[in-house]
Amino acid sequence: AQSVTQPDIHITVSEGASLELRCNYSYGATPYLFWYVQSPGQGLQLLLKYFSGDTLVQGIKGFEAEFKRSQSSFNLRKPSVHWSDAAEYFCAVGAPPIPTFGRGTSLIVHP
Amino acid sequence: DTGVSQDPRHKITKRGQNVTFRCDPISEHNRLYWYRQTLGQGPEFLTYFQNEAQLEKSRLLSDRFSAERPKGSFSTLEIQRTEQGDSAMYLCASSRLGGQNTGELFFGEGSRLTVL
Repeated sequence: AQSVTQPDIHITVSEGASLELRCNYSYGATPYLFWYVQSPGQGLQLLLKYFSGDTLVQGIKGFEAEFKRSQSSFNLRKPSVHWSDAAEYFCAVGAPPIPTFGRGTSLIVHP
Repeated sequence: DTGVSQDPRHKITKRGQNVTFRCDPISEHNRLYWYRQTLGQGPEFLTYFQNEAQLEKSRLLSDRFSAERPKGSFSTLEIQRTEQGDSAMYLCASSRLGGQNTGELFFGEGSRLTVL
């Protein structure tokens, strides 16, 4: 069975600081991995995805993530956080058709 | 707007009443999904359709829940005899089928259900 663990429920950073959100997964084969963002009152939007190739993937809004098979991790990073990045972030794993989502990490940005 | 749309956005109902949610996916997407999201949790899979066919249902989808996609376009999710535990955000998503499908889901903004 596939599963995702996001160990941090909340992360607080100052605007302009760097960010890393953790994601660990369990999957029986080469995983499809995703990061989604959900702003208040909005649906989930895909930030980036990995399913093959370069293990460092670039996404929208300046985000990147690195797939580390040995650690079963797919951590999300951003070098400089903006106040508008405050949102809920979800990691997901699974080949089509049905991804499994983690419980999410809430990002709080202080001015 | 050609994204996924859901209606209604908010529904407040009394326990025991029936409610129905509608989802209109992106027009060229063959797959349509329903997820449930409760406070502090990630989306939990309920069911999905490929065209008209309902191909998989989660154990979360009790007998009081029924989903349809009669013409392979829009879908409805009905909850009968609602319970307070049904209070949640119900998310609809759609995706492509075939070679362009890398697993990405396109989500609507959700339908929030409150059962009093």
